[in-house]
Amino acid sequence: DAKTTQPPSMDCAEGRAANLPCNHSTISGNEYVYWYRQIHSQGPQYIIHGLKNNETNEMASLIITEDRKSSTLILPHATLRDTAVYYCIVRLDFYSGAGSYQLTFGKGTKLSVIP
Amino acid sequence: DSGVTQTPKHLITATGQRVTLRCSPRSGDLSVYWYQQSLDQGLQFLIQYYNGEERAKGNILERFSAQQFPDLHSELNLSSLELGDSALYFCASSYVGTGHDEQYFGPGTRLTVT
Repeated sequence: DAKTTQPPSMDCAEGRAANLPCNHSTISGNEYVYWYRQIHSQGPQYIIHGLKNNETNEMASLIITEDRKSSTLILPHATLRDTAVYYCIVRLDFYSGAGSYQLTFGKGTKLSVIP
Repeated sequence: DSGVTQTPKHLITATGQRVTLRCSPRSGDLSVYWYQQSLDQGLQFLIQYYNGEERAKGNILERFSAQQFPDLHSELNLSSLELGDSALYFCASSYVGTGHDEQYFGPGTRLTVT
């Protein structure tokens, strides 16, 4: 799986959009971008994933550049409960039913939402 | 609440001992994964089971073993414990373990080896 690079920390004012960048310049054509977050030693929580189109769900939006070498996770209206470590993970999906699905976590970005 | 349960929440034991961590996956999920999170190594994948069979191995020590039972719950056995085994151990589950299914993590078991 491709490696990712994320800033170690970011601050965001409560109520503003939080934009978390991730570089994955060695991503291959069939690798997906996943985002998980971990709130203070709780189990990681899935947020969103995508291949090349922008994706949106109830939690966040994922913007992937056209060359797929970087992406941005957007939390539209950050709250104090969004303070967490955010992990950008690039992995290969297997469709045959015979592949594995472990997640390779890096150091992530520690997002602090400030009142 | 992810639907994944782990017991116990906390475990304190001495070096050289053996412990068993238990995980019950979400209803309907067939795959179970174990991860270890320590301060110096971060979150690391240990092992994956799918429908009772081992599917993938990560950085799991030989002193550690796991299994998935017919009712799909899983146990992680840690033996000859060392101080460095102190960590958070997470279990995650997913429906199949391939394709687009995301993993749902349990609350973890905090192991302290003294």
